[in-house]
This record gives sequence, structure tokens and C-alpha cells, in this order.
Amino acid sequence: QSVLTQPPSVSGAPGQRVTISCTGSSSNIGAGYDVHWYQQLPGTAPKLLIYINTNRPSGAPDRFSGSKSGTSASLAIIGLQAEDEADYYCQSYDSSLSGSVFGTGTKVTVL
Amino acid sequence: QITLKESGPTLVKPTQTLTLTCTFSGFSLSSRAVGVGWIRQPPGKALEWLGVVYWDDDNRYSPSLKSRLTMTTDTFKNQVVLTVTNMDPVDTATYYCARRAGAFGGAFDYWGQGMLVTVSS
Repeated sequence: QSVLTQPPSVSGAPGQRVTISCTGSSSNIGAGYDVHWYQQLPGTAPKLLIYINTNRPSGAPDRFSGSKSGTSASLAIIGLQAEDEADYYCQSYDSSLSGSVFGTGTKVTVL
Repeated sequence: QITLKESGPTLVKPTQTLTLTCTFSGFSLSSRAVGVGWIRQPPGKALEWLGVVYWDDDNRYSPSLKSRLTMTTDTFKNQVVLTVTNMDPVDTATYYCARRAGAFGGAFDYWGQGMLVTVSS
């Protein structure tokens, strides 16, 4: 059972905006630890999408944006595209576990 | 070009020890703030962080698996070895190794392709 909770699924039509939440606690996100986001296309390894809360690595489309507030973080996809259909995971550090943790994962479906 | 690749057995029996090797290129584990982590994913389930090994052997392990995990490095061979003792069917998963980069706040910026390990008698 992960300490970072995400909605199991979100969906939207092409061109719409969807948001994925990552809810933590005072021992991880709320303690100020950074949040990273990964995209996992079917049958492939995860790929870094957002690092240190809001930053996109080279090659990540600018329709993806990250934010963080309090004990939660969010990933927004602005202008959803068919190729965005994938699983998305958040990651942070948890001081009570003395290690990194991944979120429960969210499946994005493009209608 | 940075690459990582996992290798090892695809099938192990219950109670056996699993040994996986991550062979990487394009970076050095002797660089500060660079580590190699192991992450696993049971079929149809979420990612699970197993641990990270750093340039100075300051290894960190998942508390729930710490008693069963060992991660070692061979800097000259550019390899990291993961050992998991007393394997159980619930340990069936795709095992990934990934580079942990300090410049990215500790995110895993490069991943191996993953390796499915099945635990069955």
C-alpha cells in the first residue's frame, strides 16, 4: 500500500485538459520533498516526465505541467492527445520510510 | 548515450535467491549524487521502489524488504547487482534498474527495459 495516493483512472477527449492528483502526507510531500512524475506507455519502461515538481526534462512535451501545494502534487495534461494514453506515477521521498515511494498510479484514457 | 540493461534468470523457485545484474553505460557510478536504483512492478500493479546504491556505497533499501535485499556495485564493470533472498510467488514482477541523478532532484532519468521474473515451482 503506497503512501502516495492517485486516482485509479482519469479520462478526457482529445484536446481537453486532465489533471492527476498525488496526495501524500506530512512525511513526504508535505515535508517539502520533491515530486517527480513518470509516464508508462503500455508494455514499456517508465519515462521521466516531470522532475522537481515543475520541471520538464529535454524531450518532454510542454503540454505536461506539474505543480505542488501542501501535501499534494498534480500533473496536468493540457490538450490531451491520443498518444498520452498511458499510466502515470508520482514519486517522492518519505522520511518515515527513509526511502523513496511511488504513487498508486493513474491510467489515462483518451476518449 | 546512457543505457541500462537488466539480466538474470526469468524463472526462480520459491525460497531461492534471485540475482539480477544491471549493466550500464554512458555514466559513471563514481560521480557524486549519481546512483542506480531498483524498482519492480508486479503484473498489472504499481511501481515499487526497492532501493538505491550510490557512488560511495551509501545504499538505501525499502524498509519492508530490507532484510531480503542486497545491492552491490562493480564500478570497473559498470554493473550493479541486486540480490533478493527467499523469493516468493508474490515477488513475481518486472524488475527495472534506473539511474538516479542528483541534478534531477533524485528522479530516475534513465531506465532499463525491465526484466520479468516469475517465481514458481
